[in-house]
Amino acid sequence: RKEVEQDPGPFNVPEGATVAFNCTYSNSASQSFFWYRQDCRKEPKLLMSVYSSGNEDGRFTAQLNRASQYISLLIRDSKLSDSATYLCVVNVYGQNFVFGPGTRLSVLP
Amino acid sequence: DARVTQTPRHKVTEMGQEVTMRCQPILGHNTVFWYRQTMMQGLELLAYFRNRAPLDDSGMPKDRFSAEMPDATLATLKIQPSEPRDSAVYFCASGFPLGGGINEQFFGPGTRLTVL
Repeated sequence: RKEVEQDPGPFNVPEGATVAFNCTYSNSASQSFFWYRQDCRKEPKLLMSVYSSGNEDGRFTAQLNRASQYISLLIRDSKLSDSATYLCVVNVYGQNFVFGPGTRLSVLP
Repeated sequence: DARVTQTPRHKVTEMGQEVTMRCQPILGHNTVFWYRQTMMQGLELLAYFRNRAPLDDSGMPKDRFSAEMPDATLATLKIQPSEPRDSAVYFCASGFPLGGGINEQFFGPGTRLTVL
């Protein structure tokens, strides 16, 4: 089993739709969690950190469930510019960052 | 606008040749990561350094890959000899630890390597 798993995708949604990404991790000692975004043929960029209490940034909401070792990302009112691959990232302090395989999103006009 | 720089951006070489990739981390960042990304394997950590010392290089094939930080402004990744299966995009990222962890890694644009 991979350390970090994500929905295989791709997700094709119309503009304005709400889309949810799921991620599970296997290392219960994981302490920090992130969502990164990667555009085609570009480098990954931090979208948002994920906090235990959940956090929101505009149209984006991240949730963490430590008991289930599950992370989610919700995008509301999706825009064409949201089309990208979304990477779930997990870290144990003092150890390396583990990236999930990513879920590709295409927002269609 | 501080950013991580990588050279070369593209490299095409023949099997058996040596390949050297360079990375300049963001000034002040003391942690540097090397990743490899392929369609099949996704993003894999090869090695990372803190204060120029290697902390983890377990993801790197030791027989042909080597990573160094000659100084705080330069990280290098070498492959010798290169093989077709090394074809991938190699990313360098830098960060600075806060509260025991690193809140964000800043990635360079990557080196797209093709080994024929």
